[in-house]
Amino acid sequence: DAGVIQSPRHEVTEMGQEVTLRCKPISGHDYLFWYRQTMMRGLELLIYFNNNVPIDDSGMPEDRFSAKMPNASFSTLKIQPSEPRDSAVYFCASSSSLGNEKLFFGSGTQLSVL
Amino acid sequence: LAKTTQPISMDSYEGQEVNITCSHNNIATNDYITWYQQFPSQGPRFIIQGYKTKVTNEVASLFIPADRKSSTLSLPRVSLSDTAVYYCLVTPGNTGKLIFGQGTTLQVKP
Repeated sequence: DAGVIQSPRHEVTEMGQEVTLRCKPISGHDYLFWYRQTMMRGLELLIYFNNNVPIDDSGMPEDRFSAKMPNASFSTLKIQPSEPRDSAVYFCASSSSLGNEKLFFGSGTQLSVL
Repeated sequence: LAKTTQPISMDSYEGQEVNITCSHNNIATNDYITWYQQFPSQGPRFIIQGYKTKVTNEVASLFIPADRKSSTLSLPRVSLSDTAVYYCLVTPGNTGKLIFGQGTTLQVKP
């Protein structure tokens, strides 16, 4: 398996534009997680899915952020409109279970909002 | 959810053994303890996981005392490539709300 695949690797956009980040989890993994990492706040859990259903989105900063998982092999995180304070590295991760699971992370998307 | 506390940073030299201790005083019965490693510009990577006593794999050892209120990650004979941030997590079995703390930045010097 190729692991968790995220795209794009880097994204530079202007304030007010819509940004869509994409993630393909490891095949067979039932859980998918979106994290955001900044120097100031570290790694923050934004939302996680189980079997394509959002379970906990309490970490989503505000209504400008939305995440979907239309099928078991694809998820998107959308920011509309984007703001400079959204600049961060966004990671997607997947796992096969909870508790004694291992999280497998993608390489991340470096987002810069100018 | 159990909160974890670990040192912000540690320094070591090549060839030394490094021990990073994490405290998790309110760990629950069904919680596991999991450690991740993160290099710059990469996502965190699973290192080791345990429930109690000692676990060892090809990368590290994890020591967990009987009360499970703390755990110690042991890296034998570190090299420069072990310079990274190490995160201790308490992973509950009933929620995917997996919270990463600040982690411990390990700097290995030649």
